[in-house]
Amino acid sequence: QKEVEQNSGPLSVPEGAIASLNCTYSDRVSQSFFWYRQYSGKSPELIMSIYSNGDKEDGRFTAQLNKASQYVSLLIRDSQPSDSATYLCAVNRPNFGNEKLTFGTGTRLTIIP
Amino acid sequence: DGGITQSPKYLFRKEGQNVTLSCEQNLNHDAMYWYRQDPGQGLRLIYYSQIVNDFQKGDIAEGYSVSREKKESFPLTVTSAQKNPTAFYLCASSIGGGWNQPQHFGDGTRLSIL
Repeated sequence: QKEVEQNSGPLSVPEGAIASLNCTYSDRVSQSFFWYRQYSGKSPELIMSIYSNGDKEDGRFTAQLNKASQYVSLLIRDSQPSDSATYLCAVNRPNFGNEKLTFGTGTRLTIIP
Repeated sequence: DGGITQSPKYLFRKEGQNVTLSCEQNLNHDAMYWYRQDPGQGLRLIYYSQIVNDFQKGDIAEGYSVSREKKESFPLTVTSAQKNPTAFYLCASSIGGGWNQPQHFGDGTRLSIL
């Protein structure tokens, strides 16, 4: 089982609709969760950080964390063509002496005008 | 403008050659990281440094070396021992040394073999 799993996509969503991106992680003690957006050929850009169960909203983006089920999701409301990118989920796995941030392989999102 | 600057943007390596990728940040961040990204794979950690004059190996450190003599700078050398160096190299930094801090990335360096 991969430490951080994402559906690679592509996920196609009509413009104006809600895009829902999911990420599951294997280590129950993980504490910090991040979503990055990566445009083709560019570097990752931090969109959201979430640390507690529940929802966290920032503009059109909402991150949802459920530690009991070990998943974190990203919702993008009113999707725009500029949201077309690969979205990376990253999870902090505390492990004394071997702590690190583990990235999923990303979900490619395409917004259809 | 605060940020992370990586140079060069593109780099070509000849066989048997060592090359050095530059990473400079003016964010006053304590921690800096080097990742490698290959197509279809997640980011993989090469080296990291949580404080000046100290650094630790990541998951794929073989064939790479780093130094952290200044807070602002964390150069990565890809040595001739790294047999498959073609990849997108990303430098990141975070405000503190804890792994719960969000990491911010530079624009990356694409390395290819001639």
